[in-house]
Amino acid sequence: NTVMTQSPTSMFISVGDRVTMNCKASQNVGTNVDWYQQKTGQSPKLLIYGASNRYTGVPDRFTGSGSGTDFTLTISNMQAEDLAVYYCLQYNYNPLTFGSGTKLEIK
Amino acid sequence: QVQLKESGPGLVQPSQTLSLTCTVSGFSLTSNSVHWVRQPPGKGLEWVGAIWSGGSTDYNSALKSRLSISRDTSKSQVFLKMNSLQTEDTAIYFCTRGAHRVYWGQGVMVTVSS
Repeated sequence: NTVMTQSPTSMFISVGDRVTMNCKASQNVGTNVDWYQQKTGQSPKLLIYGASNRYTGVPDRFTGSGSGTDFTLTISNMQAEDLAVYYCLQYNYNPLTFGSGTKLEIK
Repeated sequence: QVQLKESGPGLVQPSQTLSLTCTVSGFSLTSNSVHWVRQPPGKGLEWVGAIWSGGSTDYNSALKSRLSISRDTSKSQVFLKMNSLQTEDTAIYFCTRGAHRVYWGQGVMVTVSS
């Protein structure tokens, strides 16, 4: 199975900060990575598909990048409503596999 | 519009079989895949399996021996059956439409307990 190692596990941030989180795949997954945001008590919400494509309606402060084995989600100018857990998912290989999540908390 | 809704028992006894239904609307199962994803309380997301538009299935390797996903296209329903349930299977179970999994159900909480 393809392991998605996500880091860091949590981050303490302030509104206005620039936030960067990472996912490393155990093998080459091309650009077949999505990023999801999950707020407490809600279903996950797609932010980025195909590693770098922002889904419709997602604010442009969210940017995805990477290919092969290394992927990054960046939030520029962090807002209070961005407090959530973020997950990467690779869909290049079956079974699909999620990263373990990065939780953003207020400093 | 696209909607998915999970249904099933909230409580299942250990060693019993879990049966969940995902009822969809706004799209065709013969043109879209449906995935199941679960989330134990306070933990991360785990991909459970999928049924593809052509009817073939793929499963999480760790669950494969206990898991079956099927569908009834005439009723726009996808079914998940998992046997030999253990307490570790306690989780919220979500169904989500393929193609980047934009659309998700609200999830159904399943507790495995005697």
